[in-house]
Amino acid sequence: SAVISQKPSRDICQRGTSLTIQCQVDSQVTMMFWYRQQPGQSLTLIATANQGSEATYESGFVIDKFPISRPNLTFSTLTVSNMSPEDSSIYLCSVEGIAVSIPGGTQYFGPGTRLLVL
Amino acid sequence: GQNIDQPTEMTATEGAIVQINCTYQTSGFNGLFWYQQHAGEAPTFLSYNVLDGLEEKGRFSSFLSRSKGYSYLLLKELQMKDSASYLCAGLILTGGGNKLTFGTGTQLKVEL
Repeated sequence: SAVISQKPSRDICQRGTSLTIQCQVDSQVTMMFWYRQQPGQSLTLIATANQGSEATYESGFVIDKFPISRPNLTFSTLTVSNMSPEDSSIYLCSVEGIAVSIPGGTQYFGPGTRLLVL
Repeated sequence: GQNIDQPTEMTATEGAIVQINCTYQTSGFNGLFWYQQHAGEAPTFLSYNVLDGLEEKGRFSSFLSRSKGYSYLLLKELQMKDSASYLCAGLILTGGGNKLTFGTGTQLKVEL
């Protein structure tokens, strides 16, 4: 499986500010995703980060609030813009693993970024 | 719709067997994944079913019935370290690639 790192691991931010989260993978991957996991909740897909083109956002998420970059096949960023306390959450990136030994569609997750907005 | 339902929490005894159910009401799911997530950690892949039937991997087994929109994860010989949240997720094939839709997760507590 791919080794995925995220920075920062956690942060405390003031409302109205923005935070950019980085996701780095140790190998080239086609599919990268960004999720949000609010306290005690399951994972909600924010968007699919597409290399070389605009991200594909899920219903309820918009580019102005969650701009995403994907400059190459190993790196992506998610920005949480104009933050409010409701944005306090864990943000996780994931990649789809590609190998004959694993089922198609299997995703591997980064360690997450714990964000608290005051 | 793409609703995936799981019990919110379950409690079981060390050494016992527990079955965590997952029901889904959707068209377009092309497989069912199970993930384990310990508190404060990222989800990790446990198992996958694309065809009806049982898939066994050591102490963990997963079952799928596509006609009934039903899956379960079976954990045998429970250990304290199995205390975690268990998430089922449906695989959706789209024009842009695969994506997963997660259920609400089942928090399993293993007791002595």
